[in-house]
Amino acid sequence: AQSVSQHNHHVILSEAASLELGCNYSYGGTVNLFWYVQYPGQHLQLLLKYFSGDPLVKGIKGFEAEFIKSKFSFNLRKPSVQWSDTAEYFCAVSPSSNTGKLIFGQGTTLQVKP
Amino acid sequence: GAGVSQSPSNKVTEKGKDVELRCDPISGHTALYWYRQSLGQGLEFLIYFQGNSAPDKSGLPSDRFSAERTGGSVSTLTIQRTQQEDSAVYLCASSLLPPGVNEQFFGPGTRLTVL
Repeated sequence: AQSVSQHNHHVILSEAASLELGCNYSYGGTVNLFWYVQYPGQHLQLLLKYFSGDPLVKGIKGFEAEFIKSKFSFNLRKPSVQWSDTAEYFCAVSPSSNTGKLIFGQGTTLQVKP
Repeated sequence: GAGVSQSPSNKVTEKGKDVELRCDPISGHTALYWYRQSLGQGLEFLIYFQGNSAPDKSGLPSDRFSAERTGGSVSTLTIQRTQQEDSAVYLCASSLLPPGVNEQFFGPGTRLTVL
């Protein structure tokens, strides 16, 4: 079965620290990859996405992610986090041949201390 | 412009009752999705609509769950004979076509509590 695994469930960082959140997926075919974020009290919103081309994609608010096909990974990074990045982060996969349904990881709660 | 809206925002019901959850997608979005977010299971896909038809119902957990969409717009998710394990936040999302390549915009969700 298709699945997405996020290795870090809860991450605590100080402001200006660097961030890397791991995401691995299991699916043998072509996939579209996403990171979504849910800030406290807000809706889920898209951070960035990868469909094809340059495996390093840049999203909003200084986030980027790298697709490594051989490792089935799509890790999220940010060089210097801010207190306002405190949120829950979800990695998601959409097999490109299907209806666009998203298969989500369990989520990572990021707490940034000022 | 207006985003995806859902109603009610909170619903408390007794075990065995039926509930209806409503989603108003962004105008012009042909694709509509329902997801469920619960503590034990995370975010799970339930059903996908393209227009008024549902080509992917693979995530509906049992035959107590059903959904419809009318006029290519509003969608209703119905849960019959609710059980305590149905307690969760039910999220609706919509997007342009084709699905999978267009951003899904999520609503605020309906928090369902089954007593």
